[in-house]
Amino acid sequence: EVQLVETGGGLIQPGGSLRLSCAASGFTVSSNYMSWVRQAPGKGLEWVSVIYSGGSTYYADSVKGRFTISRDNSKNTLYLQMNSLRAEDTAVYYCARDQGRALGFDYWGQGTLVTVSS
Amino acid sequence: SYVLTQPPSVSVAPGQTARITCGGNNIGSKSVHWYQQKPGQAPVLVVYDDSDRPSGIPERFSGSNSGNTATLTISRVEAGDEADYYCQVWDSSSDHPYVFGTGTKVTVL
Repeated sequence: EVQLVETGGGLIQPGGSLRLSCAASGFTVSSNYMSWVRQAPGKGLEWVSVIYSGGSTYYADSVKGRFTISRDNSKNTLYLQMNSLRAEDTAVYYCARDQGRALGFDYWGQGTLVTVSS
Repeated sequence: SYVLTQPPSVSVAPGQTARITCGGNNIGSKSVHWYQQKPGQAPVLVVYDDSDRPSGIPERFSGSNSGNTATLTISRVEAGDEADYYCQVWDSSSDHPYVFGTGTKVTVL
């Protein structure tokens, strides 16, 4: 059974850093495209970042230069390192398995809440 | 960047048909996916590649895509279909290629 479990969210002050983790089971993270998608309170879905199976990474303009996506193949885990956090980064962060252009995000984690506030 | 526009809300009576549109420039040339999100829950893929359904999704959910509009159709609407729905495409012309629609709240009257 495919499962994605995010951890690492919490309350952080503006300018601070946080690392989110997404532990996967039932499939191999490194063989798939994996994305982070966030949702600010009461708002819609916003794609944040992707890491392709080959290792290429891409970011939304809103987080480029501040966030870094990575994976640990030995732990079958996806990460999102978030630096220089801003109030507008406050959101529930989901990891999702991406089956490609024609198949969409077929599995999602339950999400982890990041609150950036002083 | 590529923009997908959805109506903020759609209201439908039980047993009737709900249609949710997703507008984008030449969206008919792209694969469109649809997600259902209920309050406090993660999104769930209900239609992929314009009109295919993942296993476990009722046949009441269907999709179409042509020209500048993609449509998610929910037939014989049930109370449990009340949720937010998002369309999504992969935009090959961009280095941030994943685009979500603005979202539509479906209310079952």
